[in-house]
Amino acid sequence: SQTIHQWPATLVQPVGSPLSLECTVEGTSNPNLYWYRQAAGRGLQLLFYSVGIGQISSEVPQNLSASRPQDRQFILSSKKLLLSDSGFYLCAWMTGMNTEAFFGQGTRLTVV
Amino acid sequence: AQSVTQLGSHVSVSEGALVLLRCNYSSSVPPYLFWYVQYPNQGLQLLLKYTSAATLVKGINGFEAEFKKSETSFHLTKPSAHMSDAAEYFCAVSDLSGGGADGLTFGKGTHLIIQP
Repeated sequence: SQTIHQWPATLVQPVGSPLSLECTVEGTSNPNLYWYRQAAGRGLQLLFYSVGIGQISSEVPQNLSASRPQDRQFILSSKKLLLSDSGFYLCAWMTGMNTEAFFGQGTRLTVV
Repeated sequence: AQSVTQLGSHVSVSEGALVLLRCNYSSSVPPYLFWYVQYPNQGLQLLLKYTSAATLVKGINGFEAEFKKSETSFHLTKPSAHMSDAAEYFCAVSDLSGGGADGLTFGKGTHLIIQP
C-alpha cells in the first residue's frame, strides 16, 4: 500500500534561518507531488507541484522553493525564513489515474 | 478555472442532531468532488468522493454527500452527530481538463463543533 512520510512534525525557527522540509512517498511510482500551506480561516494554498524529477511549478510568488531530487522525494526549502512563513505545511501526492490526493501528517512551522 | 465555496466557516450542532455542511462548486468541465476531514495538527483524510457515478456518495464514519448538478452543490450530511465528528471539513474539486496536474482546489473549510 502507498504511504507518505513528512517530517518534522513541528519546527520552531528564528527569522533569517534556513528551512528544509522533506516528504517521501512509498508504494507508488511517478506520483504528482504537492506542497500546500494552511493558514487559519484561509483553507489550503497550493505552493508548488511536481509531475516528475526536477520539474517544479510554483503557484504563488514567495520566499520558498521546492525541489524533487528523486521520483518519490519532495523538498520544501528557504534560504532565509520570514515571520510570514509560519504556518502548517502539508505534502500530498496524486497519480495520473487516481483523482484524490493523499496527504502527509503536516509540519507546524513557527518562525520567531 | 474551478472554485469551491463552503458556506459557514463554523457550524455548531448538538450531539445526535443532523450534520449539514454546504459546498458549492464552479467548474468548466464535469468535476470530480471530494470531502476531506482534518483533526487538529494532522493531515487531511478523505471522507468520500464523487467521480461521475452515483450522485449519492457514501463515505466513512457515516457521512454521505449528494451531487446536484443543477444546483452545483455537493453538501455533506450525517444523520446523527457524534462528539468525535468535531473537526475541520474541506470540500475540494478536481478539474481534469488540465490533466489534473495542478491538484485539487479546496474550499476554505468549515469547523464543525459538536455540543454535548
